[in-house]
Amino acid sequence: DQQVKQNSPSLSVQEGRISILNCDYTNSMFDYFLWYKKYPAEGPTFLISISSIKDKNEDGRFTVFLNKSAKHLSLHIVPSQPGDSAVYFCAASGAGETSGSRLTFGEGTQLTVNP
Amino acid sequence: GAGVSQSPSNKVTEKGKDVELRCDPISGHTALYWYRQSLGQGLEFLIYFQGNSAPDKSGLPSDRFSAERTGGSVSTLTIQRTQQEDSAVYLCASSLRVNEKLFFGSGTQLSVL
Repeated sequence: DQQVKQNSPSLSVQEGRISILNCDYTNSMFDYFLWYKKYPAEGPTFLISISSIKDKNEDGRFTVFLNKSAKHLSLHIVPSQPGDSAVYFCAASGAGETSGSRLTFGEGTQLTVNP
Repeated sequence: GAGVSQSPSNKVTEKGKDVELRCDPISGHTALYWYRQSLGQGLEFLIYFQGNSAPDKSGLPSDRFSAERTGGSVSTLTIQRTQQEDSAVYLCASSLRVNEKLFFGSGTQLSVL
C-alpha cells in the first residue's frame, strides 16, 4: 500500500528553466509534508516542508505547493541549476508523537538539469 | 560529531550470516530513526528511538531484525540469518526531538550474496 507516490521516476530540464516535481498521497491523516534531496552515496538532506494549514511555502528558488482536496503536492525549482541534479523524495507524516515520528516516503524522482 | 555517522559504509555478507550496522547520531539529538531503501524503492521506515526506548518498531520486517540504542546515543541494527531480500541501503537519521527535522547519515549498503 503505497501511501505516497511519485509517479515520475525521472525528469530532465534545461538549466534556467522551471523543474516541477509531483507527489500524490492517499492518507488524509497526513498533515505535514517534506521534500528531501539525495545525491549519490549520501543520505537525504532536508529541502523544504509545508504544513497542511498552508497551501504554499517558499524558500529561495524552491516552492512547495499543497492541494489538500486533490491530495497532491508539488515542488517547483526556479531557475533550475545543474547542481540541483539529484533524487528528490516527497515525504509525509501524521499528527501525534507516534505517527508523526514516522515519515512515509515516495519512491523518488531523479532530476537531471542539463547545462 | 558534525553529522550522523554510519558504519560500515558497505557490507557484503553471505546468506545466513548475522550483520550489525552502527549509527552515531548528532550529539544531543534525542530521536533516532532507521530506514532502508531497496533498489528502485522509496525509503521504508523500520524503527525509531526516543532516548533508549523504541515506541514504534512496527516497521521491522521480521523477527530477524532488531535494534537497540544505548546511552541515548549510538544505535545498532542487527539482522540475523540474512536473506538476499535484506540487500538494501540502511539509513539512520536523528533529530533534536521527535517530529523535528531529520538529519540522515550516508547509509550502509548491505549486499547479501
